[in-house]
Order: sequence, then structure tokens, then C-alpha cells
Amino acid sequence: DGGITQSPKYLFRKEGQNVTLSCEQNLNHDAMYWYRQDPGQGLRLIYYSQIVNDFQKGDIAEGYSVSREKKESFPLTVTSAQKNPTAFYLCASSFILGQGTYEQYFGPGTRLTVT
Amino acid sequence: QQQVKQSPQSLIVQKGGISIINCAYENTAFDYFPWYQQFPGKGPALLIAIRPDVSEKKEGRFTISFNKSAKQFSLHIMDSQPGDSATYFCAASSSSNYQLIWGAGTKLIIKP
Repeated sequence: DGGITQSPKYLFRKEGQNVTLSCEQNLNHDAMYWYRQDPGQGLRLIYYSQIVNDFQKGDIAEGYSVSREKKESFPLTVTSAQKNPTAFYLCASSFILGQGTYEQYFGPGTRLTVT
Repeated sequence: QQQVKQSPQSLIVQKGGISIINCAYENTAFDYFPWYQQFPGKGPALLIAIRPDVSEKKEGRFTISFNKSAKQFSLHIMDSQPGDSATYFCAASSSSNYQLIWGAGTKLIIKP
């Protein structure tokens, strides 16, 4: 059963703590992405990665870090430097080669609440 | 030039009516235009997509209309149903850059 899994679905943390959100895909996709979505807002790109051991900042990378040690995995760490971390976090993946559709497949999301 | 502008921000349609959401872009290099549907608490999912070599694509009750000269594309939902109530996002990308540029989203409510 192919897809993207994100865990946990809900996450609660105290202010000042780092927290890592998991994202795993078994679609054999090259690219993976992290987006942040705030209530009533669109999708804002945090980080993306085209290949293992390489990743690029998106539009709102400050206060976040990522790693891509395996093709299937792209964890996101929300650090204490992120001023307003409470949000819905979405992981996605896609192919990048050739005249593909570049369709991004999304995971179910992790809702992070920091108090 | 990288922006995709989506309107309206919210839309209320009676059951059985036609829902229309519009998007506009500036970058003429864009060659892939998908629409995503998102239900509350879920990740977005691809609904329908079009390339600029056709002016219209239909899948069931969902149709994309594409106007290359005006740099606009729209989603039409025929015979709108309460189950269509969701947030809809348009997006665009080019062959040289696989990343999707997203519209801000439209919250659609279908009244029974």
C-alpha cells in the first residue's frame, strides 16, 4: 500500500523545546517537501529536497531544519527559534524527472501545538 | 512573476449549482496547472490537472478551462454537492522547475 505517512497526527510541546516531525514515503519519489498551513491560509514551503543528502530552503525556513539521509525519509525539526510554531504541517513527495506531472502526493499532516 | 492569484477566497453555492474558482498567473513558462482539493484536517489531493496544449479538460463533474492568452485558468464544479465542500487550491509549475507555485485557496461551501 503506497503512500506518505506522517507521525504523529497531533503533537503538543512546551515553548522552548525542539520537536521533530516524521515523514516517510514508499512511492519511490525523488523529491520531498515540507509545507506549513495556518488556519484559513494557503500552503507555504518550508524546505524541499530533490535527492538524498541535499535540501534547499523554501519561503519560510527560519526556525526549521531538515535532513535527507534516506530517499524514503524527510524529517522536519521545529526548533525553539521558530517564533510561532503552532500550525498544521504537511509533507509531500513527487517525481522530478522528465515530462512528469510533478503531482505532489501529500501525507495526512501533523498538527503541532506549542504552549 | 512567480505568483498564482486565486479568487474568490470563499464561495457559497446552492446544491445543484455551478461552482467556479479562478486563477491567474504571470509566468509564461508555466506548463502544468493542477487543482487540489483539501478536506479539513487532511492533506490536499490532486483533483484534476491541465497542460496548456488544450483549452478544457473534464473529469466527471469537474472541468478546468484554460485561457493561454489571458493567462488564466478556472475550475468549474457542475451539479455541486455538499460533499464537494472543501478548500480548493490551484497551482502551476514549469518543466524547468518542478516545484509547484500555489494559489491562496478557496473555501467552498455547498448549501443543501
